[in-house]
Amino acid sequence: KAGVTQTPRYLIKTRGQQVTLSCSPISGHRSVSWYQQTPGQGLQFLFEYFSETQRNKGNFPGRFSGRQFSNSRSEMNVSTLELGDSALYLCASSLAPQSGNQPQHFGDGTRLSIL
Amino acid sequence: AQKVTQAQTEISVVEKEDVTLDCVYETRDTTYYLFWYKQPPSGELVFLIRRNSFDEQNEISGRYSWNFQKSTSSFNFTITASQVVDSAVYFCALNTGTASKLTFGTGTRLQVTL
Repeated sequence: KAGVTQTPRYLIKTRGQQVTLSCSPISGHRSVSWYQQTPGQGLQFLFEYFSETQRNKGNFPGRFSGRQFSNSRSEMNVSTLELGDSALYLCASSLAPQSGNQPQHFGDGTRLSIL
Repeated sequence: AQKVTQAQTEISVVEKEDVTLDCVYETRDTTYYLFWYKQPPSGELVFLIRRNSFDEQNEISGRYSWNFQKSTSSFNFTITASQVVDSAVYFCALNTGTASKLTFGTGTRLQVTL
């Protein structure tokens, strides 16, 4: 069974640009969550999507947005990039929300560097 | 509010030593789930174990074992006879079951040397 696939693996952007990251969940998984990992703040929850609807959102500015498609694939977008957005962005999928009953499975992440 | 504390930032051991990674959590919910994830240098978070708040049984899986104690709000992870391949950052995480959001600890970097 293929795992969670995130593309691209690495990305370099400059301040002010925007970026779109992609996540394909494990087949059959319908819930997708995004996390940001930085050395200073650690792993922080960005948002969660299920059935093409955002169910939860972390404490991030509106520059961070996402969406989910009918095939459960998800994208996240960051506009007007800032140096502080440099991070590893991890996508996780689970069968359904309320993942206490099922663990979230993570992809390899997209490492975003802002110059 | 939920919180997960991993007080050990970094641990170094020699191969074959036993090592315990500590995890203390805070939540007001009576139903919650605790997780351990391993993050090797490649970046992927690898799921190791899930435990719900109603199951305080300890678990052993090969060289790995977990000790869950609600009385002290702890969910510690022990690696027996550590190996170099165990070198990674280990995260403890909490989920209260109402959403997929995981609250992570800051992680413990484990370095196992020969």
